[in-house]
Amino acid sequence: AQKITQTQPGMFVQEKEAVTLDCTYDTSDPSYGLFWYKQPSSGEMIFLIYQGSYDQQNATEGRYSLNFQKARKSANLVISASQLGDSAMYFCAMREDMTNDYKLSFGAGTTVTVRA
Amino acid sequence: DSGVTQTPKHLITATGQRVTLRCSPRSGDLSVYWYQQSLDQGLQFLIQYYNGEERAKGNILERFSAQQFPDLHSELNLSSLELGDSALYFCASGDSGSTTDTQYFGPGTRLTVL
Repeated sequence: AQKITQTQPGMFVQEKEAVTLDCTYDTSDPSYGLFWYKQPSSGEMIFLIYQGSYDQQNATEGRYSLNFQKARKSANLVISASQLGDSAMYFCAMREDMTNDYKLSFGAGTTVTVRA
Repeated sequence: DSGVTQTPKHLITATGQRVTLRCSPRSGDLSVYWYQQSLDQGLQFLIQYYNGEERAKGNILERFSAQQFPDLHSELNLSSLELGDSALYFCASGDSGSTTDTQYFGPGTRLTVL
């Protein structure tokens, strides 16, 4: 079964607008971490934001925020005030702590294209 | 810059050959993870080393092997290469000592098997 589901293969957003990228996850582990990474066309994977399963507040990092809805098992990424440099592939990933190895399971990714 | 280095950046080789990919983790990180990114499989975890010891194995083929050396750098060895092994191979490092344990990725090695 897929651990991470990203249902939006591609999205277009206007510069300066906000965009929400969907991510749902599947785990029975009570302790886990959720991550978002950005992969520009150059190929590197850039860490954006982290949310722990026991965190009471939604994580924020600059223009990135994570809308964590534990009961729904969703961890959507919100990018505010989009910039042309935000055009990239975005991956949601999960680490399940019960495994004790901290490996990440990734979704298929969402391509974001920011229009001027 | 994540602080994780990988060499080479690009590698072109022929079927049946063997290659070695190298990774140096961020200073202070004890864990190294290897991932493969391909068009059909997406991002897949291959193997993890922690302080020189293998800790976890994922979807790693028997033709592939890895090790982590005393200075904590790691090498991923791919042998009897097939066309389907063409992919972007990432190394990531983390400290595995905290509940956040963010994995920071290197720039990747793009392997093309002809």
